[in-house]
Amino acid sequence: SAVISQKPSRDICQRGTSLTIQCQVDSQVTMMFWYRQQPGQSLTLIATANQGSEATYESGFVIDKFPISRPNLTFSTLTVSNMSPEDSSIYLCSVQQRGTQYFGPGTRLLVL
Amino acid sequence: GQNIDQPTEMTATEGAIVQINCTYQTSGFNGLFWYQQHAGEAPTFLSYNVLDGLEEKGRFSSFLSRSKGYSYLLLKELQMKDSASYLCAVRRTNSGYALNFGKGTSLLVTP
Repeated sequence: SAVISQKPSRDICQRGTSLTIQCQVDSQVTMMFWYRQQPGQSLTLIATANQGSEATYESGFVIDKFPISRPNLTFSTLTVSNMSPEDSSIYLCSVQQRGTQYFGPGTRLLVL
Repeated sequence: GQNIDQPTEMTATEGAIVQINCTYQTSGFNGLFWYQQHAGEAPTFLSYNVLDGLEEKGRFSSFLSRSKGYSYLLLKELQMKDSASYLCAVRRTNSGYALNFGKGTSLLVTP
Protein backbone atom coordinates (compact mmCIF):
# COMPACT_ATOMS: atom_id res chain seq x y z
CA SER A 1 0.00 0.00 0.00
CA ALA A 2 0.99 3.63 -0.48
CA VAL A 3 3.02 5.28 2.27
CA ILE A 4 1.52 8.66 3.11
CA SER A 5 3.09 11.34 5.29
CA GLN A 6 1.60 14.58 6.53
CA LYS A 7 3.15 17.71 7.95
CA PRO A 8 2.68 19.06 10.51
CA SER A 9 1.48 16.18 12.67
CA ARG A 10 -0.15 18.65 15.04
CA ASP A 11 -0.39 22.37 15.63
CA ILE A 12 -1.98 24.90 17.92
CA CYS A 13 -3.07 28.07 16.16
CA GLN A 14 -4.67 31.38 17.00
CA ARG A 15 -8.04 32.27 15.56
CA GLY A 16 -7.91 34.33 12.39
CA THR A 17 -4.67 32.75 11.18
CA SER A 18 -4.18 30.14 8.45
CA LEU A 19 -2.40 26.79 8.40
CA THR A 20 -1.19 24.81 5.40
CA ILE A 21 -1.04 21.04 5.73
CA GLN A 22 1.16 19.03 3.40
CA CYS A 23 0.55 15.49 2.17
CA GLN A 24 3.29 13.47 0.46
CA VAL A 25 2.84 10.01 -1.09
CA ASP A 26 5.67 7.65 -1.95
CA SER A 27 4.18 6.74 -5.34
CA GLN A 28 2.16 8.45 -8.03
CA VAL A 29 -1.58 8.31 -7.42
CA THR A 30 -4.41 9.66 -9.48
CA MET A 31 -6.93 10.27 -6.71
CA MET A 32 -6.16 12.23 -3.55
CA PHE A 33 -8.71 13.37 -1.00
CA TRP A 34 -8.87 15.53 2.10
CA TYR A 35 -11.09 14.52 5.02
CA ARG A 36 -11.89 16.09 8.36
CA GLN A 37 -12.61 14.23 11.59
CA GLN A 38 -14.01 16.42 14.32
CA PRO A 39 -13.71 15.29 17.95
CA GLY A 40 -15.72 12.14 18.56
CA GLN A 41 -17.05 12.11 15.02
CA SER A 42 -16.48 10.08 11.89
CA LEU A 43 -14.74 11.26 8.74
CA THR A 44 -16.23 13.88 6.44
CA LEU A 45 -14.91 14.49 2.95
CA ILE A 46 -13.80 18.07 2.35
CA ALA A 47 -12.70 17.82 -1.27
CA THR A 48 -11.10 15.75 -3.99
CA ALA A 49 -7.70 17.13 -5.00
CA ASN A 50 -7.42 16.97 -8.78
CA GLN A 51 -3.99 17.08 -10.39
CA GLY A 52 -3.70 20.01 -12.77
CA SER A 53 -7.15 21.41 -12.10
CA GLU A 54 -9.22 22.91 -9.34
CA ALA A 55 -10.29 20.73 -6.42
CA THR A 56 -13.86 19.43 -6.24
CA TYR A 57 -15.49 20.51 -2.97
CA GLU A 58 -18.26 18.80 -1.04
CA SER A 59 -21.38 20.58 0.06
CA GLY A 60 -20.58 22.85 2.98
CA PHE A 61 -16.92 23.35 2.06
CA VAL A 62 -15.66 26.22 -0.09
CA ILE A 63 -12.40 27.04 -1.79
CA ASP A 64 -11.93 30.35 0.04
CA LYS A 65 -11.93 28.55 3.38
CA PHE A 66 -10.06 25.41 2.32
CA PRO A 67 -7.84 26.15 -0.69
CA ILE A 68 -6.15 23.03 -2.05
CA SER A 69 -3.15 22.57 -4.30
CA ARG A 70 -2.18 19.44 -6.25
CA PRO A 71 0.93 20.32 -8.26
CA ASN A 72 1.82 16.71 -9.12
CA LEU A 73 0.78 13.09 -8.60
CA THR A 74 2.58 12.65 -5.26
CA PHE A 75 1.85 15.86 -3.35
CA SER A 76 -1.05 18.00 -2.17
CA THR A 77 -1.67 20.78 0.33
CA LEU A 78 -4.76 21.84 2.23
CA THR A 79 -4.96 25.29 3.80
CA VAL A 80 -7.37 26.04 6.61
CA SER A 81 -7.96 29.78 6.31
CA ASN A 82 -9.09 32.37 8.82
CA MET A 83 -9.37 29.73 11.49
CA SER A 84 -11.92 29.62 14.29
CA PRO A 85 -12.21 27.19 17.22
CA GLU A 86 -14.79 25.24 15.19
CA ASP A 87 -11.97 24.25 12.81
CA SER A 88 -10.29 22.26 15.59
CA SER A 89 -10.18 18.81 14.10
CA ILE A 90 -8.01 16.10 12.62
CA TYR A 91 -7.33 16.63 8.92
CA LEU A 92 -6.54 13.49 6.94
CA CYS A 93 -5.09 13.05 3.49
CA SER A 94 -6.20 9.96 1.61
CA VAL A 95 -5.19 8.31 -1.66
CA GLN A 96 -6.82 5.77 -3.93
CA GLN A 97 -4.56 2.91 -4.96
CA ARG A 98 -5.61 -0.32 -6.68
CA GLY A 99 -9.24 0.15 -5.71
CA THR A 100 -8.57 0.82 -2.03
CA GLN A 101 -8.37 4.09 -0.16
CA TYR A 102 -5.52 4.59 2.31
CA PHE A 103 -5.14 7.32 4.89
CA GLY A 104 -2.24 9.41 6.10
CA PRO A 105 -1.49 9.76 9.81
CA GLY A 106 -3.50 12.97 10.08
CA THR A 107 -2.82 16.49 11.30
CA ARG A 108 -4.29 17.41 14.68
CA LEU A 109 -5.30 21.05 14.72
CA LEU A 110 -6.35 23.00 17.79
CA VAL A 111 -7.55 26.57 17.29
CA LEU A 112 -7.63 28.82 20.33
CA GLY B 1 -27.35 11.23 -0.93
CA GLN B 2 -26.30 8.46 1.40
CA ASN B 3 -27.38 7.36 4.85
CA ILE B 4 -25.09 4.93 6.63
CA ASP B 5 -26.05 3.43 9.99
CA GLN B 6 -24.07 1.34 12.43
CA PRO B 7 -24.34 0.80 16.18
CA THR B 8 -22.59 3.37 18.32
CA GLU B 9 -21.02 1.02 20.82
CA MET B 10 -20.51 -2.70 21.37
CA THR B 11 -18.82 -4.75 24.07
CA ALA B 12 -17.50 -8.28 23.70
CA THR B 13 -15.30 -10.68 25.60
CA GLU B 14 -11.76 -11.67 24.70
CA GLY B 15 -11.79 -14.86 22.60
CA ALA B 16 -15.38 -14.39 21.50
CA ILE B 17 -16.90 -13.49 18.10
CA VAL B 18 -18.55 -10.14 17.41
CA GLN B 19 -20.56 -8.96 14.41
CA ILE B 20 -20.80 -5.26 13.60
CA ASN B 21 -23.66 -4.39 11.27
CA CYS B 22 -23.90 -1.57 8.77
CA THR B 23 -26.92 -0.57 6.71
CA TYR B 24 -26.84 1.99 3.97
CA GLN B 25 -29.16 3.82 1.61
CA THR B 26 -27.48 5.24 -1.43
CA SER B 27 -28.26 6.77 -4.78
CA GLY B 28 -25.09 5.21 -6.19
CA PHE B 29 -22.98 2.32 -4.94
CA ASN B 30 -19.47 1.33 -5.92
CA GLY B 31 -18.26 -0.77 -3.01
CA LEU B 32 -18.27 -0.91 0.78
CA PHE B 33 -15.21 -0.59 2.99
CA TRP B 34 -14.46 -1.37 6.62
CA TYR B 35 -11.75 0.48 8.51
CA GLN B 36 -10.34 0.08 11.99
CA GLN B 37 -9.34 3.19 13.91
CA HIS B 38 -7.55 3.18 17.24
CA ALA B 39 -7.82 6.30 19.37
CA GLY B 40 -5.52 9.02 18.10
CA GLU B 41 -4.56 7.13 14.97
CA ALA B 42 -5.58 7.21 11.31
CA PRO B 43 -8.07 4.66 9.93
CA THR B 44 -6.54 1.38 8.77
CA PHE B 45 -8.07 -0.51 5.84
CA LEU B 46 -9.62 -3.85 6.79
CA SER B 47 -11.81 -5.04 3.94
CA TYR B 48 -13.61 -4.16 0.72
CA ASN B 49 -16.77 -5.70 -0.76
CA VAL B 50 -18.24 -4.80 -4.12
CA LEU B 51 -20.06 -8.07 -4.89
CA ASP B 52 -22.51 -9.93 -2.67
CA GLY B 53 -21.08 -12.50 -0.34
CA LEU B 54 -18.46 -13.06 2.29
CA GLU B 55 -14.82 -11.96 2.11
CA GLU B 56 -12.57 -13.64 4.65
CA LYS B 57 -9.20 -12.34 5.75
CA GLY B 58 -7.75 -14.08 8.76
CA ARG B 59 -9.75 -13.30 11.90
CA PHE B 60 -11.77 -10.67 10.04
CA SER B 61 -14.59 -11.33 7.55
CA SER B 62 -16.94 -8.93 5.81
CA PHE B 63 -20.28 -9.65 4.20
CA LEU B 64 -22.31 -7.64 1.70
CA SER B 65 -25.87 -7.83 0.43
CA ARG B 66 -26.44 -5.10 -2.13
CA SER B 67 -30.16 -5.81 -2.49
CA LYS B 68 -30.65 -5.29 1.25
CA GLY B 69 -28.18 -2.42 1.60
CA TYR B 70 -26.50 -4.38 4.37
CA SER B 71 -23.01 -5.35 5.42
CA TYR B 72 -21.39 -6.78 8.50
CA LEU B 73 -17.87 -7.11 9.83
CA LEU B 74 -17.18 -10.31 11.75
CA LEU B 75 -14.28 -10.44 14.18
CA LYS B 76 -13.29 -13.86 15.52
CA GLU B 77 -11.07 -14.85 18.43
CA LEU B 78 -11.24 -11.36 19.80
CA GLN B 79 -8.10 -9.89 21.31
CA MET B 80 -7.75 -6.91 23.62
CA LYS B 81 -5.99 -5.00 20.84
CA ASP B 82 -9.21 -5.22 18.77
CA SER B 83 -10.70 -2.54 21.02
CA ALA B 84 -11.11 0.29 18.53
CA SER B 85 -13.62 2.14 16.42
CA TYR B 86 -14.83 0.33 13.28
CA LEU B 87 -15.93 2.51 10.40
CA CYS B 88 -18.24 1.45 7.59
CA ALA B 89 -17.83 3.48 4.39
CA VAL B 90 -19.59 3.43 1.05
CA ARG B 91 -17.89 4.48 -2.17
CA ARG B 92 -20.01 6.64 -4.37
CA THR B 93 -20.45 6.24 -8.09
CA ASN B 94 -20.38 9.99 -8.56
CA SER B 95 -17.65 12.38 -7.37
CA GLY B 96 -14.83 10.03 -8.29
CA TYR B 97 -13.93 7.43 -5.67
CA ALA B 98 -14.66 9.38 -2.50
CA LEU B 99 -16.04 7.58 0.54
CA ASN B 100 -19.01 8.39 2.73
CA PHE B 101 -18.46 7.18 6.28
CA GLY B 102 -20.84 6.00 8.95
CA LYS B 103 -20.39 7.37 12.46
CA GLY B 104 -18.38 4.35 13.53
CA THR B 105 -18.88 1.60 16.10
CA SER B 106 -16.75 1.75 19.23
CA LEU B 107 -15.86 -1.82 20.23
CA LEU B 108 -14.63 -2.60 23.72
CA VAL B 109 -13.06 -6.00 24.29
CA THR B 110 -13.08 -7.06 27.93
CA PRO B 111 -11.05 -9.79 29.63
